[in-house]
Amino acid sequence: TQLLEQSPQFLSIQEGENLTVYCNSSSVFSSLQWYRQEPGEGPVLLVTVVTGGEVKKLKRLTFQFGDARKDSSLHITAAQPGDTGLYLCAGVWGAQKLVFGQGTRLTINP
Amino acid sequence: DTAVSQTPKYLVTQMGNDKSIKCEQNLGHDTMYWYKQDSKKFLKIMFSYNNKELIINETVPNRFSPKSPDKAHLNLHINSLELGDSAVYFCASSRSDRASYEQYFGPGTRLTVT
Repeated sequence: TQLLEQSPQFLSIQEGENLTVYCNSSSVFSSLQWYRQEPGEGPVLLVTVVTGGEVKKLKRLTFQFGDARKDSSLHITAAQPGDTGLYLCAGVWGAQKLVFGQGTRLTINP
Repeated sequence: DTAVSQTPKYLVTQMGNDKSIKCEQNLGHDTMYWYKQDSKKFLKIMFSYNNKELIINETVPNRFSPKSPDKAHLNLHINSLELGDSAVYFCASSRSDRASYEQYFGPGTRLTVT
């Protein structure tokens, strides 16, 4: 059973377009994190959202935590080739344990 | 300076062999983890140690044995390697006093069992 479902799993768009990636669950999480992973490297933390309804911005990336703390979204404005990568959401589950979504592979074409 | 380092980066070995992967972090974190990432990029936790004490032990074959000599090191030993063990193994660390347990990952070890 997948606790965190990400959609879409694959996304390929042109440079300059906007996109949204979703992370959904039937469970409530105390906090949720987004990571980006590039080929041959480990995931790198982008942001942590803690409060229901919270919105955080990181340059052209906007992260939102759902009011009920069961879902989150990542919106990228004017995507650039450098945004290409695997985006992973993760939620704290139980004691000191993170569960990860299956990831969204994003490709931005020049 | 490297925050979380793993050795080796690549490991190619035959079925039945025993191998170890080493991990070190210089972030001063008190919790370390081993994750397995399969070919579909799904990242799943295997083990977690807090101050050298095992706190998370997921459903992992007992051929996998973690060992933490101190807070900054967490090694993974695998006995009798099988084809299905082929994957990328990531070490990570975090602070237990942060409720969000934000993970700092190493670069990964790509294990190929032939």
